Amino acid sequence: QVQLQESGPGLVKPSQTLSLTCNVSGDSISSGFYYWSWIRQPAGKGLEWIGRIYSRGTTNYNPSLKSRVNISLDTSKNQFSLRLSSVTAADTAVYYCARDDSSGWFEYFQHWGQGTLVTVSS
Amino acid sequence: DIQMTQSPASLSAYVGDRVTITCRASQSINTYLNWYQQKPGKVPTLLIYGASTLQSGVPSRFSGGGSGTDFTLTISSLQPEDFATYYCQQTSITPGTFGQGTKLEIK
Repeated sequence: QVQLQESGPGLVKPSQTLSLTCNVSGDSISSGFYYWSWIRQPAGKGLEWIGRIYSRGTTNYNPSLKSRVNISLDTSKNQFSLRLSSVTAADTAVYYCARDDSSGWFEYFQHWGQGTLVTVSS
Repeated sequence: DIQMTQSPASLSAYVGDRVTITCRASQSINTYLNWYQQKPGKVPTLLIYGASTLQSGVPSRFSGGGSGTDFTLTISSLQPEDFATYYCQQTSITPGTFGQGTKLEIK
């Protein structure tokens, strides 16, 4: 059973870069079968897909965040990471990592990390 | 981006009621539509994918329907554990956008 666990600073100053890592166990991120995604949720609000990375390094980003986002893989550690630059208070949210599962052409998020709260504040 | 609009934004119902939540896409998404349930402070859980396929382990009182732009999530007989927020998500086009959520509360 795959498990995902986010880690990283819970407090980031405005204009700085938010950096989070998702540690994956029970599956190899280099196996070539899945995309690995980041999703966020501001307090009391809905879910926003940030972006994803495939095992070969191909990435897709939400156009609304694309200029500030970078997602990368570390296959030696079985981790993938999120970097979001030039953060503001609007980036304060619970950040989730998740595996993009699929059945035929249908994609969905079945496996999620427990989420980590990142607050942007000076 | 494809916009996903859920209605109602909130809903009060009794245990045992049948409830339906609607999700509308701003353009056709075929049946590339998922439903998630989220309880306060918890991670979202997948209920339905492909508009109508029940995820393994999800009770059969949940059902999904629709195609194109209009979709529904129906709970046939509400149980106490069903009171939560429900989100739809389209995966037809990247980014896979979510609806704003429907909060289901106990009356």
